[in-house]
Amino acid sequence: QVQLQESGPGLVKPSETLSLTCTVSGGSISDYYWSWVRQPPGKGLEWIAYIYYGGTANYNPSLKSRVTISVDTSKSHLSFWLSSVTAADTAVYYCARVPMYYDILTGYSNYYYMDVWGRGTTVTVSS
Amino acid sequence: QSALTQPASVSGSPGQSITISCTGTSSDIGGYNSVSWYQQHPGKAPKLMMYDVHYRPSGISNRFSGSKSDNTASLTISGLQTEDEADYYCSSFASSSTNWLFGGGTKLTVL
Repeated sequence: QVQLQESGPGLVKPSETLSLTCTVSGGSISDYYWSWVRQPPGKGLEWIAYIYYGGTANYNPSLKSRVTISVDTSKSHLSFWLSSVTAADTAVYYCARVPMYYDILTGYSNYYYMDVWGRGTTVTVSS
Repeated sequence: QSALTQPASVSGSPGQSITISCTGTSSDIGGYNSVSWYQQHPGKAPKLMMYDVHYRPSGISNRFSGSKSDNTASLTISGLQTEDEADYYCSSFASSSTNWLFGGGTKLTVL
């Protein structure tokens, strides 16, 4: 049974860079796409980005200029960076697994649903 | 404001059926069958309840069903149970630059 576990600093100062890790256990990191989603306190879900280890990442345009994600297959973990954070970036950050498929014409592609989620890690931006 | 529109709240009594709607446009829900639904209990991570409009993941009760008509997707829960009380979010692929959208969420109260 695959499990995802996010980890991070908990508290970040404004204007600094937030760095998170998602450790994947019980499954192969290279057989799926992976996504990051966040949820501000009392608000809804916001998709941030997704990535496949063998391809480029796809980012939400509203965050693209500040976000970078990557996959490390050797360590079986995902990495997330968000620069120039403000109070508006205070949220629970989730990593999630995205099933993929192979098309002989187009290669690897992802489905648009997230079937396994981590428990999330709370990030507060405050001085 | 979310790109996909859901009612803020719905309610029902145990044993009843309810439907949660999720309205988008022809560039997302109406144009593709990539609608999914997530259940979220307070303080917990979202849980996939439905994908590709009407497919249930393994382990999800058949009391949950999904459908789509034009630009609106729906999640129906029949035989309401107290444990169904949670927030529900719809999601869809979109052909716009923001190609993965969520709805604003619907709070289901089981009276």
